[in-house]
Amino acid sequence: QVQLQESSPGLVKPSGTLSLTCDVSGGSITSNNWWSWVRQPPGKGLDWIGEVYHSGSTNYNPSLRSRFTVSVDKSKNQFSLTVTSVTSADTAMYYCARSLNGGWSSAFDIWGQGAMVTVSS
Amino acid sequence: QSVLTQPPSVSGAPGQSVTISCSGSSSNIGTPYDVHWYQQRPGTAPRLLIYNYNTRPSGVPDRFSGSKSGTSASLAISGLQAEDEADYYCQSYDSRVRGSRVFGGGTKLTVL
Repeated sequence: QVQLQESSPGLVKPSGTLSLTCDVSGGSITSNNWWSWVRQPPGKGLDWIGEVYHSGSTNYNPSLRSRFTVSVDKSKNQFSLTVTSVTSADTAMYYCARSLNGGWSSAFDIWGQGAMVTVSS
Repeated sequence: QSVLTQPPSVSGAPGQSVTISCSGSSSNIGTPYDVHWYQQRPGTAPRLLIYNYNTRPSGVPDRFSGSKSGTSASLAISGLQAEDEADYYCQSYDSRVRGSRVFGGGTKLTVL
């Protein structure tokens, strides 16, 4: 049974860089799936950030793309999200999720428990 | 402003049925691409409820069903139970940007 676990610093200073990782256990990150990041500001809805395939191919939410980078580390069986120039608007719960298959429209069938990130000085 | 539009809230008494709508356009729900639904109970991660319009993952009761017509999709819940009180999100793919996945704004279901 594949499981996902996010890790994050918790607190990040404004204008700094946020880095999160998602460890994949019980399966291989080289399987035919896309690996995504989804965030949820407090009291608000879900917002898809972007995704990576094990080949390194990526797709991003066009409204967020410029500050966000999703990458994969096959040797560690994990994928990551980097957000630069963070502001208070980046304060959110960040989830990593697996798509059901390699199709662009496939559902997210497995989710991590989420990692809360607060941007504050 | 979400690409997919859902009502902010719906409610129903135990045992009743409710329907949650998800309105899109010809570039997302109106395409052959799939529509999915998620349930998120307070303080927990989203859970896949329905995928590919009307397929339930293992463990999801058959009280939950999905459908699609034109540029809209719907989630129907019958025989409401207290445990169904949660936020529900639709999700699809938007063909205007390659690989772009989109969510609805979410609907809060209250079981009266």
